[in-house]
Amino acid sequence: EPEVTQTPSHQVTQMGQEVILRCVPISNHLYFYWYRQILGQKVEFLVSFYNNEISEKSEIFDDQFSVERPDGSNFTLKIRSTKLEDSAMYFCASDTSSTDTQYFGPGTRLTVL
Amino acid sequence: AQSVTQLGSHVSVSEGALVLLRCNYSSSVPPYLFWYVQYPNQGLQLLLKYTSAATLVKGINGFEAEFKKSETSFHLTKPSAHMSDAAEYFCAVYGGSQGNLIFGKGTKLSVKP
Repeated sequence: EPEVTQTPSHQVTQMGQEVILRCVPISNHLYFYWYRQILGQKVEFLVSFYNNEISEKSEIFDDQFSVERPDGSNFTLKIRSTKLEDSAMYFCASDTSSTDTQYFGPGTRLTVL
Repeated sequence: AQSVTQLGSHVSVSEGALVLLRCNYSSSVPPYLFWYVQYPNQGLQLLLKYTSAATLVKGINGFEAEFKKSETSFHLTKPSAHMSDAAEYFCAVYGGSQGNLIFGKGTKLSVKP
């Protein structure tokens, strides 16, 4: 069964460094999402992406964040200058339409020291 | 604005007992509602979804949920718990025009032998 994959599974970085989290959505999906879950808190929406552009973003998704689909398969989330409060589990998701079922990847645990 | 509230951050049941995980929603439009499960060190997996068809929705692994508009509830049930059901369960509602999900805080289910 097709699945969303994410790499790395765990990323440790120093405060102020840039990180890129990678996702490979399911191949025939058209809508892509990033969510994050700070330890002990709820899963929060960051951004949705369709047709090579951001379609919606939350207040969390400020200028430090960017997303890109650099080729036909990868979908990346970049954090330019990480802060301690960016430490969280980041989930990528994809679906075939904006009202269909979102399939989630296993997540990348980001630890900012 | 759409939101979900999950009552009880931790529920413990005995193997073979009824599982009841509570979710109440707030939505200004007819909601699309979801239950996701997260096993340790894994991503979010869809259990079931409600999309304004039948009010009783059957999902995977013997789970089901009933949409009750009068109570703004979408509680998840399973008649007989199994040890393998131990996981964290998230209720979610579509929040935006581009399909972003709004999650509850999650309920961790423990199953005692």
